[in-house]
Amino acid sequence: GAGVSQSPSNKVTEKGKDVELRCDPISGHTALYWYRQSLGQGLEFLIYFQGNSAPDKSGLPSDRFSAERTGGSVSTLTIQRTQQEDSAVYLCASSLGWKVSGNTIYFGEGSWLTVV
Amino acid sequence: GENVEQHPSTLSVQEGDSAVIKCTYSDSASNYFPWYKQELGKGPQLIIDIRSNVGEKKDQRIAVTLNKTAKHFSLHITETQPEDSAVYFCAAIGNTPLVFGKGTRLSVIA
Repeated sequence: GAGVSQSPSNKVTEKGKDVELRCDPISGHTALYWYRQSLGQGLEFLIYFQGNSAPDKSGLPSDRFSAERTGGSVSTLTIQRTQQEDSAVYLCASSLGWKVSGNTIYFGEGSWLTVV
Repeated sequence: GENVEQHPSTLSVQEGDSAVIKCTYSDSASNYFPWYKQELGKGPQLIIDIRSNVGEKKDQRIAVTLNKTAKHFSLHITETQPEDSAVYFCAAIGNTPLVFGKGTRLSVIA
């Protein structure tokens, strides 16, 4: 597609429910990144993929968070047993490849998650 | 790992004046430094970037400078306009995925 596409754009869920957030990167981009942004805060790195593998999962806040990427394209971020502190904007980004020349990173518009 | 510090956290300028935002980084292996602009309710948009083999880059009213020795880089916006009001993030990438500063909220007062 023309840009990074994320869905849903907004999600309100009850505490304790599971949620799945989807990211469709720019076509041909092998690197995909997930960040979290709490209200009025900076961008917190969660995880990145090079192809289908995730070399660095150190940013995931807890074992309730997981992510996968299949076919080198679409990625899903899953949050199990959501808590109110999970409320944030979840941003996905993609690039041609990490450490590749011309490594411009493009962001989607984010998925706004509210846990009530 | 990389650590990026950004200053100031908020900045107010009169329309037409210049704005400068400064960032420092810790990892000498970092070699790519983008700047993003984030408007309310939207994702960050790349506005300019610089690579470690370049000291300065300019694109119309915005420019970025890089001092590798001191490990700092700056964003300069000249002739500011109300539509420049937004949150600006600096970032660095090298041996770790993109690490962001905490952002600067720029307000341009008409």
